[in-house]
Amino acid sequence: DAGVIQSPRHEVTEMGQEVTLRCKPISGHDYLFWYRQTMMRGLELLIYFNNNVPIDDSGMPEDRFSAKMPNASFSTLKIQPSEPRDSAVYFCASRGLAKTSTDTQYFGPGTRLTVL
Amino acid sequence: AQSVTQPDIHITVSEGASLELRCNYSYGATPYLFWYVQSPGQGLQLLLKYFSGDTLVQGIKGFEAEFKRSQSSFNLRKPSVHWSDAAEYFCAVASWRGNEKLTFGTGTRLTIIP
Repeated sequence: DAGVIQSPRHEVTEMGQEVTLRCKPISGHDYLFWYRQTMMRGLELLIYFNNNVPIDDSGMPEDRFSAKMPNASFSTLKIQPSEPRDSAVYFCASRGLAKTSTDTQYFGPGTRLTVL
Repeated sequence: AQSVTQPDIHITVSEGASLELRCNYSYGATPYLFWYVQSPGQGLQLLLKYFSGDTLVQGIKGFEAEFKRSQSSFNLRKPSVHWSDAAEYFCAVASWRGNEKLTFGTGTRLTIIP
């Protein structure tokens, strides 16, 4: 399996621009997670989906952030408009059906976002 | 609410020496506990996990961790570190009924000296 795929790996943009991060989960996994990692706040869960439906978006920092999962193999995290404080590494992770509640999350390589 | 504390921000050990990284959790019921490793510029990779049963858990790359309920701890150990073990290590906890929401510690950065 190719693992969780994220694109782009690096993104540099200017303040006010729209940014779209993409994620392809592991085939067959039905949970998808978006995390943000910064030096100040560590690793934070932003939102997660189950069967393409958003379950908990309480970690999304502001209305400027939105996430979608139009199908089982694709998700996007969008920031509009972007601000310098959004600079971080954004990780996507996926997990299979927890039949025994023992499945774990598999992380993608991350997208390093820099907003100038 | 669940929480994780990793008291050591940075640890330096010599290659070949033993290693112990500390993790303390706070959760009312039986927790799911995880250790992840993040190499520079990479995503997180699962080292090991604990859900129930034997309190000493074996993981990949020669790592092990011991769950101690009385101390609310889940410390990671390795008897002899290799230069390739230099990385950031994260402890995480999740609730029993499904582990959708992982709460991560702040991480411990491990430096290996020759």
